[in-house]
Amino acid sequence: DVVLTQSPLSLPVTLGQPASISCRSTQSLVHTDGNTYLNWLQQRPGQSPRRLIYKVSNRDSGVPDRFSGSGSGTDFTLEISRVEAEDVGVYYCMQGAYWYTFGQGTKLEIK
Amino acid sequence: QVQLVESGGGVVQPGRSLRLSCAASGFTFSAYDMYWVRQAPGKGLEWVALISNDGSGKYYADSVKGRFTISRDNFENMLYLQLNSLRPDDTAVYYCAHDLKSGAYWGQGTLVTVSS
Repeated sequence: DVVLTQSPLSLPVTLGQPASISCRSTQSLVHTDGNTYLNWLQQRPGQSPRRLIYKVSNRDSGVPDRFSGSGSGTDFTLEISRVEAEDVGVYYCMQGAYWYTFGQGTKLEIK
Repeated sequence: QVQLVESGGGVVQPGRSLRLSCAASGFTFSAYDMYWVRQAPGKGLEWVALISNDGSGKYYADSVKGRFTISRDNFENMLYLQLNSLRPDDTAVYYCAHDLKSGAYWGQGTLVTVSS
């Protein structure tokens, strides 16, 4: 099974400051179709997951441009350029290249 | 727009059964694989089951294999998950999902609590 390891698991951030979450995979997430199915989800308290970024770096419609994704192969990063109060929640990386697995989640809170 | 609405959750005793439903709309349901994902209270996400677009292929996580059955009705645009031999560690919010490879669409979830 592909294991995704996120760090940090807890992320206290001051409003307006940047934040970064790492996601490392035990194997390359390049699918046989050539796409890299590494996605980032946000789960606000009491809500279902919402996709922010798909295939490494593609931001979903309606997602603020302060969110960005990068990486390749086995190492990926979600960055928030300036954290806002509405960003509080848990962030998951997930992969769809070899079945479907999720990182442990990173809890972002306001310091 | 894509909508996924789960129902059927509740409190059930260990060893009993439950059937979850997911009503899908906003896309051509019969053209796509569909999924169930669960989340235990305060825990992360776990893929549970996948059914191919025509229902001929069904795949399960090892943790539920032999106990859960996924099915669909392409005429009614409905997805189902039959949960048998339930255990306390099956307690979770169960989400119906579409295009899970890209993590795209999620329902609001339905809570299953297994407790005596």
